[in-house]
Amino acid sequence: GDSVTQMEGPVTLSEEACLTINCTYTATGYPSLFWYVQYPGEGLQLLLKATKADDKGSNKGFEATYRKETTSFHLEKGSVQVSDSAVYFCALSSGGGNKLTFGTGTQLKVEL
Amino acid sequence: DTAVSQTPKYLVTQMGNDKSIKCEQNLGHDTMYWYKQDSKKFLKIMFSYNNKELIINETVPNRFSPKSPDKAHLNLHINSLELGDSAVYFCASSQGNPDSGNTIYFGEGSWLTVV
Repeated sequence: GDSVTQMEGPVTLSEEACLTINCTYTATGYPSLFWYVQYPGEGLQLLLKATKADDKGSNKGFEATYRKETTSFHLEKGSVQVSDSAVYFCALSSGGGNKLTFGTGTQLKVEL
Repeated sequence: DTAVSQTPKYLVTQMGNDKSIKCEQNLGHDTMYWYKQDSKKFLKIMFSYNNKELIINETVPNRFSPKSPDKAHLNLHINSLELGDSAVYFCASSQGNPDSGNTIYFGEGSWLTVV
């Protein structure tokens, strides 16, 4: 079945540091890939997505590239801010399953 | 305007009670979902409805019964609540299947605590 593996958190960074959150996946068929963000006490918001190999999704300074050869979709940001503190979820959907399969989430804490 | 709204946001109830969570989306989407987030933040699909028809029931106990009176609403009724039902329940919707890259939009969550 489909699965998503994310690096374990929490990740603690200083403001303006570089961020990478690793995400790899196993899927039947050709999945669409997503990153969602959950701020404290809130629901999930789509951060970015990609639907085919080598596509790069980007939003709010975050980027992720769909790498079919390594089955990965790592999230990156060049300079994090305190306001980026949240839980980040990698997710996929494939094979007509009509659902998202989520990774376990990675908590990011950015300090001044 | 809230796209996916669910009520109540917080619910504290005793074991054995029956409770409902309501969900409405004003996006005109044809597919609605219920997800459960446990205390470790893990998210898992419970149900998916497409145009009021159940298409996913992910081995959820029979005590959980979704009801979709129309494609803009998907309510969740839970009978005989147990301590293990304590979680955050998220309603969501999409236009089309996410495996084609369609975005799933989530509500703000309903925090259920069973005591």
